[in-house]
Amino acid sequence: DTEVTQTPKHLVMGMTNKKSLKCEQHMGHRAMYWYKQKAKKPPELMFVYSYEKLSINESVPSRFSPECPNSSLLNLHLHALQPEDSALYLCASSQDSRSGSVYEQFFGPGTRLTVL
Amino acid sequence: AQRVTQPEKLLSVFKGAPVELKCNYSYSGSPELFWYVQYSRQRLQLLLRHISRESIKGFTADLNKGETSFHLKKPFAQEEDSAMYYCALRYNFNKFYFGSGTKLNVKP
Repeated sequence: DTEVTQTPKHLVMGMTNKKSLKCEQHMGHRAMYWYKQKAKKPPELMFVYSYEKLSINESVPSRFSPECPNSSLLNLHLHALQPEDSALYLCASSQDSRSGSVYEQFFGPGTRLTVL
Repeated sequence: AQRVTQPEKLLSVFKGAPVELKCNYSYSGSPELFWYVQYSRQRLQLLLRHISRESIKGFTADLNKGETSFHLKKPFAQEEDSAMYYCALRYNFNKFYFGSGTKLNVKP
């Protein structure tokens, strides 16, 4: 299995809702990433997990809460979001790069989030 | 601070013409650069990485440290090359920074 899967494909939520985005990979990758992509903009890195530990948080507001339950799964918990948080949320995975080698990132199809 | 600049938002060429998508970077360390491509209704995928010095789908990219550039080139563009192309910089182990992207439109 060489794909990264994300669920749901689309999500509409109100500002008071709590929801979660899910990402899964079975390629044995030990680095997993969350990106946010607004329309006609490049992906922006949000979080990186390395060996199931949060290694990078790009100053993301606390209304976004990542979780990595095991080496194959990555969640993004959403609470009290704002309309400006509407975007495509991309998950990616790769071999961990701390070894000094260069590994490519494999991206999921994304979850299209709309906050009303 | 690290930065990746893709000066062209849109590049239109005719089929069979050469194409060059520009990418300039700013990084104080040793850069690791990538080209990612996103075809219509498909996920983002890796096209090239500078360390491999390979040719994929006829595309090549050479890292020029003197000019801090990593331009993507193809001698004869095909209609199926039409897509969004992103230049990306890896730094601090697992951090990636994407340029703003260039939309390539290959006309018949």
